[in-house]
Amino acid sequence: KQEVTQIPAALSVPEGENLVLNCSFTDSAIYNLQWFRQDPGKGLTSLLLIQSSQREQTSGRLNASLDKSSGRSTLYIAASQPGDSATYLCAGGDDKIIFGKGTRLHILP
Amino acid sequence: NAGVTQTPKFQVLKTGQSMTLQCAQDMNHEYMSWYRQDPGMGLRLIHYSVGAGITDQGEVPNGYNVSRSTTEDFPLRLLSAAPSQTSVYFCASSPAPTSGTSYEQYFGPGTRLTVT
Repeated sequence: KQEVTQIPAALSVPEGENLVLNCSFTDSAIYNLQWFRQDPGKGLTSLLLIQSSQREQTSGRLNASLDKSSGRSTLYIAASQPGDSATYLCAGGDDKIIFGKGTRLHILP
Repeated sequence: NAGVTQTPKFQVLKTGQSMTLQCAQDMNHEYMSWYRQDPGMGLRLIHYSVGAGITDQGEVPNGYNVSRSTTEDFPLRLLSAAPSQTSVYFCASSPAPTSGTSYEQYFGPGTRLTVT
């Protein structure tokens, strides 16, 4: 049974800092790992998708890595901005795509 | 492109009533799924389908039924609504994992359901 854990549950950092969000999964038989952003009361915005054959993906200030052997993925946000404040969710699996509970990120101006 | 559409956006039901949440996609995706989101719980998988005529249970299937008669549609049925089913429901679709494409999930805007 796939279980996905995100640590920390909440994080507050001053504007401009670089930060890392963590995602761990118990079953390495995943097709891919996807990171999402969710603003309060809104839907999901896809940020990055890492296929099982890849180790990392980059989009602007975001970089996501995947290590299947250790069951871990990280989302790196460079030069954080107040607009980055949101909940970040990771999801992975095979036919069953399982989500973590998310990390609530607050960037302090 | 419409992408993934969900109807209705909001719904209030009384305990014991039945209803169907609609989900449709126009991307010819084989894989579709339903999630519910409760405060502090992330998204939990209810049911999923890897193609027309094929459905399977997710993490929290009790109280929900699904069917997949076409590639485009994946309705979620609540046969007898309970207050514990108050939640936000999201539908998602993606190419099949064996299709050789990116298998990226696309989400609908959600349906906010309240059961009183």
